Amino acid sequence: DSGVTQTPKHLITATGQRVTLRCSPRSGDLSVYWYQQSLDQGLQFLIQYYNGEERAKGNILERFSAQQFPDLHSELNLSSLELGDSALYFCASNMGLAANTGELFFGEGSRLTVL
Amino acid sequence: TQLLEQSPQFLSIQEGENLTVYCNSSSVFSSLQWYRQEPGEGPVLLVTVVTGGEVKKLKRLTFQFGDARKDSSLHITAAQPGDTGLYLCAGGDNYGQNFVFGPGTRLSVLP
Repeated sequence: DSGVTQTPKHLITATGQRVTLRCSPRSGDLSVYWYQQSLDQGLQFLIQYYNGEERAKGNILERFSAQQFPDLHSELNLSSLELGDSALYFCASNMGLAANTGELFFGEGSRLTVL
Repeated sequence: TQLLEQSPQFLSIQEGENLTVYCNSSSVFSSLQWYRQEPGEGPVLLVTVVTGGEVKKLKRLTFQFGDARKDSSLHITAAQPGDTGLYLCAGGDNYGQNFVFGPGTRLSVLP
């Protein structure tokens, strides 16, 4: 158990819809990272928040947005969903400012299927 | 943008065999990490290598960081079915930016 909690574990929705994925980081961790993992793209970095502020941005589409709340949990919002958005979405956390400042602790992921 | 390549992409071996997987880049990394991901779970950190030429051992797993800090290898001795999984290398620059994951090596160890 990494201490990172993600909900929901599975989500099936239709094209054009909007979904919200939720992440509770490990106790004490200030950074939350969101990753997308698909078979043909590997683990792609989307966005990082540190103590409520956006810290780094990766290959995140404009249809996607995220935020980190005062209690440090984070939400990833995916809108106008397309078939190609079907993937595993992982949240990770650590104490530091950057992904390579110590270990990244990953949740079990949210599997999104867009039909 | 720093990129990491991993080889082989897939590897299927018998229990007891030895294997080596590789992580390569044209860029210099301040450190490299190796993660293992099992089906239905998130990646879990195995090791971090920081110094060029560094060798770290974790039971039957030996990790090496290249002298120029552009590549790394993972050697498994006497592989066991429990070693089955996706092995990912990851690294970033000195400022913690551009942290990327390689595409992974999917290892299957058959009993």
